[in-house]
Amino acid sequence: GESVGLHLPTLSVQEGDNSIINCAYSNSASDYFIWYKQESGKGPQFIIDIRSNMDKRQGQRVTVLLNKTVKHLSLQIAATQPGDSAVYFCAENPNNDMRFGAGTRLTVKP
Amino acid sequence: GAGVSQSPRYKVAKRGQDVALRCDPISGHVSLFWYQQALGQGPEFLTYFQNEAQLDKSGLPSDRFFAERPEGSVSTLKIQRTQQEDSAVYLCASSLAGEDEQYFGPGTRLTVT
Repeated sequence: GESVGLHLPTLSVQEGDNSIINCAYSNSASDYFIWYKQESGKGPQFIIDIRSNMDKRQGQRVTVLLNKTVKHLSLQIAATQPGDSAVYFCAENPNNDMRFGAGTRLTVKP
Repeated sequence: GAGVSQSPRYKVAKRGQDVALRCDPISGHVSLFWYQQALGQGPEFLTYFQNEAQLDKSGLPSDRFFAERPEGSVSTLKIQRTQQEDSAVYLCASSLAGEDEQYFGPGTRLTVT
């Protein structure tokens, strides 16, 4: 069936470097995408979202890129900090039943 | 301000027992969602309420799972005759409206032995 998934299960970066987390989706009808951050023992926390009528959206230190042609989503974190260490999920929300990918664990080395 | 709260935070149940998990959404949030998150996986949608109406329960894995939100505020997820495969973190989220940003609670970790 159609699903949201991630390319890499783990990512390790040096503090201060930029991080890029990728996500592939297969539901071409999806028009709304969200990135969440989940720290151990906590629920997912909204980071940034993007609608399909855009290809880029920027937040504070984060940028989401959407390539509808290849159904690819990425999250870029600038100047990664130890506090960014967490699992990152992309999700699509076609009809209130949000579909999450499996997640990428980001580890920031000091 | 208060976020979404869930209780208990941890629950251990013997196989066959019934459990009830509680969610207190953010005050004024119309929409409430339940998700199941297995270890190492992303959350999976279970059910969605708008006020007291359960508009979507397509994600409930079996008829042993039942959710209610009788007064359009607090919600309870009940699992009857728990099985080992029910072991997971159960997350609740609320939003002002169905398509708005969802705010998640910390989850209840259920372990069925």
